[in-house]
Amino acid sequence: DIQLTQSPSSLSAVVGDRVTITCRSSQNINIWLNWYQQRPGKAPKVLIYDASTLQSGVTSRFSGSGFGTEFTLTISSLQAEDFATYYCQQSYRTPTFGQGTKVEVK
Amino acid sequence: QITLKESGPTVVKPTQTLTLTCSFSGFSFANYGMSVGWVRQPPGEALECLALLYWDGRKDYSASLRDRLSITHAASKSQVVLTMTNMDPLDTATYYCVHGQLDRSIWVAWGQGALVSVFS
Repeated sequence: DIQLTQSPSSLSAVVGDRVTITCRSSQNINIWLNWYQQRPGKAPKVLIYDASTLQSGVTSRFSGSGFGTEFTLTISSLQAEDFATYYCQQSYRTPTFGQGTKVEVK
Repeated sequence: QITLKESGPTVVKPTQTLTLTCSFSGFSFANYGMSVGWVRQPPGEALECLALLYWDGRKDYSASLRDRLSITHAASKSQVVLTMTNMDPLDTATYYCVHGQLDRSIWVAWGQGALVSVFS
C-alpha cells in the first residue's frame, strides 16, 4: 500500500488565519491526490481532487497544490465552519488515506 | 440524486463474519466507470478504504485485510455486499459505503455510515 503522512496531526488557529496542511506520499502518485473534510459525526466531504481541482460547490478559500510525493491543502482565511478534520487520499493505486489533521480553535 | 445506505448488524461477536449491505439509487452500476466501495473509521481514528467493486467486475481490496474481505454485487437489488470474516474488537468502526464515477476513487457520495461494534 501507498502510505500517506500528513503534517501536522493537529493545529490550533483562529478565524481569519491562513492554514496549510501537508501530505507526503511514500511513492510518486503524480497528481492523484484528493482532500476531504470531515466534521464530527458526519461523513467526509471531498474538497479538492487531482491535487488542485476544486470540487463543485466548495468555497474557493480552499486550494490544493502539489505533484509527485508532496501536496498541500491551504485554507486562505479560516472560517468558523472550517474547524474540522482533514484527510488526504491517494487514488493512484488501491486508495489509502492519511492519518488526518484536526483543525481546532485556538 | 445519488443515495447510498448501509445496513447490517450493529453488534457482532469476535470470530464471527460481518455482512454489510449498501443499497444505492440514482445511478446504474452497469454504466461505464461506476464503482461502489467500503471505507471504515474506528472511533477517533482515521479513514481506511476496505474494498471497491467496479462496473466491469474488477475488485480492489486493502492489502492488509485482503484475506478477510469479499465484495459482491447483488444486481437485481441495486446492492453491494461486503463480508469480513474473523471479526475482532479492533474492527469496531463506522463503516461507510461510497460511490465513485469515471473509474476514479473520488468519493463525492457517501452513505450515512453504520457503527459496528465487536465484543463478546
